[in-house]
Amino acid sequence: ETGVTQSPTHLIKTRGQQVTLRCSSQSGHNTVSWYQQALGQGPQFIFQYYREEENGRGNFPPRFSGLQFPNYSSELNVNALELDDSALYLCVSTAGTGTGELFFGEGSRLTVL
Amino acid sequence: QKEVEQDPGPLSVPEGAIVSLNCTYSNSAFQYFMWYRQYSRKGPELLMYTYSSGNKEDGRFTAQVDKSSKYISLFIRDSQPSDSATYLCASHTGGFKTIFGAGTRLFVKA
Repeated sequence: ETGVTQSPTHLIKTRGQQVTLRCSSQSGHNTVSWYQQALGQGPQFIFQYYREEENGRGNFPPRFSGLQFPNYSSELNVNALELDDSALYLCVSTAGTGTGELFFGEGSRLTVL
Repeated sequence: QKEVEQDPGPLSVPEGAIVSLNCTYSNSAFQYFMWYRQYSRKGPELLMYTYSSGNKEDGRFTAQVDKSSKYISLFIRDSQPSDSATYLCASHTGGFKTIFGAGTRLFVKA
């Protein structure tokens, strides 16, 4: 167990809706990243938050946005859902902004119909 | 071209076999190389973490990196049914983004 908890574990949305996914970081970790893992693919970096600011972003459109709170918990928001957004969304917490060992949560599986 | 390429398998072996998993990468700036294991319906967990070229051994697992050929390998000795999982290779330059391969599904038959 990594100590990274995500909610909800599963959810179903329809195209055009909005979704919010939540993550609680491992104790002592001040940095959170989000990854998208499509079926049969490896995780793909969405963005990283450090001290409540976006610290880096992958190749994802602006409708993917995030928040980090003072207690280091985090949210991933996706607007205007598309069918291709169906994936496992993984929260990662680390003790710094560099990429040492990544501590993954169990993920939130999103299905867009 | 993807920055990290990995054969998705599946790879099926009998219990006790030596397993060889491989990846290639294209970014010469990659300095750190990792193998993650992901069981079904779980998040990935770190197996091996290496810096630059060379070998690293941990129990039944050995990771090899050859930067001259941009080749990453993971060997599993005396494979067990509990090793059945998806194995993800990954690399990064030391920055905030880790690049993952697509993962190889491994089945170890009892």
